[in-house]
Amino acid sequence: AQKVTQAQTEISVVEKEDVTLDCVYETRDTTYYLFWYKQPPSGELVFLIRRNSFDEQNEISGRYSWNFQKSTSSFNFTITASQVVDSAVYFCALSGAGNNRKLIWGLGTSLAVNP
Amino acid sequence: GAVVSQHPSRVICKSGTSVKIECRSLDFQATTMFWYRQFPKQSLMLMATSNEGSKATYEQGVEKDKFLINHASLTLSTLTVTSAHPEDSSFYICSARDAGGLHYEQYFGPGTRLTVT
Repeated sequence: AQKVTQAQTEISVVEKEDVTLDCVYETRDTTYYLFWYKQPPSGELVFLIRRNSFDEQNEISGRYSWNFQKSTSSFNFTITASQVVDSAVYFCALSGAGNNRKLIWGLGTSLAVNP
Repeated sequence: GAVVSQHPSRVICKSGTSVKIECRSLDFQATTMFWYRQFPKQSLMLMATSNEGSKATYEQGVEKDKFLINHASLTLSTLTVTSAHPEDSSFYICSARDAGGLHYEQYFGPGTRLTVT
């Protein structure tokens, strides 16, 4: 069975701190995809990144970076120099390949960045 | 980029009435669309998967007679909440999978907040 665990329910940091959101997944598929989404208070999901199982390269996009490690089944997300606008709920998700494959969602991590 | 719209964004209805929510893929064709429900401070819960031209596949515990899903075209899926009750109040989100896409990502609509009084 597939599963995504986001152990951190809530995180609170002060602006400019770095923060890492953890994501651990379980799957028996050899081909799969991992995602991170941001959900601000407005509710609209914002796509942040997709990673396929064959690409373990870490990715950096501005203040955001992702560390994908198949050996530990983790796909962690780091925000460097956090800002108040980063306050949101962040979801990690997993999908197998195939058109009808469902997204398996973590429970989300609520990040509060305080001024 | 791929855009999915949802209409309405907010709706308030009286108990016992039905509400229809539309989900459209604006610049791509979506053979598969998904409907989610999200309660406050919770994760997304998949309600059903719909494929264009065929019946939706509902997740366990979701009443298909209460949540009617129609995916009549490659760009439109609708969710009708029939005989709505206050416990149906929730945030409903649709997503669409690009038929021409290579990576199976889903593009999400902005959500519809339903309040049943």
